[in-house]
Amino acid sequence: EDQVTQSPEALRLQEGESSSLNCSYTVSGLRGLFWYRQDPGKGPEFLFTLYSAGEEKEKERLKATLTKKESFLHITAPKPEDSATYLCAVQEMDSSYKLIFGSGTRLLVRP
Amino acid sequence: GAVVSQHPSRVICKSGTSVKIECRSLDFQATTMFWYRQFPKQSLMLMATSNEGSKATYEQGVEKDKFLINHASLTLSTLTVTSAHPEDSSFYICSALRGGSSTDTQYFGPGTRLTVL
Repeated sequence: EDQVTQSPEALRLQEGESSSLNCSYTVSGLRGLFWYRQDPGKGPEFLFTLYSAGEEKEKERLKATLTKKESFLHITAPKPEDSATYLCAVQEMDSSYKLIFGSGTRLLVRP
Repeated sequence: GAVVSQHPSRVICKSGTSVKIECRSLDFQATTMFWYRQFPKQSLMLMATSNEGSKATYEQGVEKDKFLINHASLTLSTLTVTSAHPEDSSFYICSALRGGSSTDTQYFGPGTRLTVL
């Protein structure tokens, strides 16, 4: 059965304290792995798509990496405005384009 | 960018009434849209896949007669919650699929908060 597991469930950081979020996945064939950011009461905001092991993508203080079993979202010198829930999702190599979401990591960055 | 809108953003209705939620892709055409619901502090749960010009595909356990989906154009999908009950209260989010092959990304709307009294 396809699964996506994110850890930790919640993470509290001081402003400037770098850390990483983990997303481990089990899927028969990976078309892509997606990272989204979700603020309370809003829809998810697209951040990155990774397609193959070894791929990396960056956007401001965020950097996403991918292996055959997991993905990491590295946050460098976070700011309070980075506080949000970060969602990981995988898309199978089928024709449905459906996303299988993890339960998310709630990040709080304190000033 | 890729912008997806939803309307209304918030709706309160009485038990037994029907509620329609619209999802629009504003700057691209979307053959496929998706409908999710999200409970507090939980992740997104896919309800159905909406395909333009054809019947929606519902996930296991989702009542198709209760959650009616219509995808009449390449920029509009609607979800109608029929005979709503308090247990249908939730945050409903749509997404639109943009591009194809290696650029198939779901872009999400801002969500609709449904409260059934």
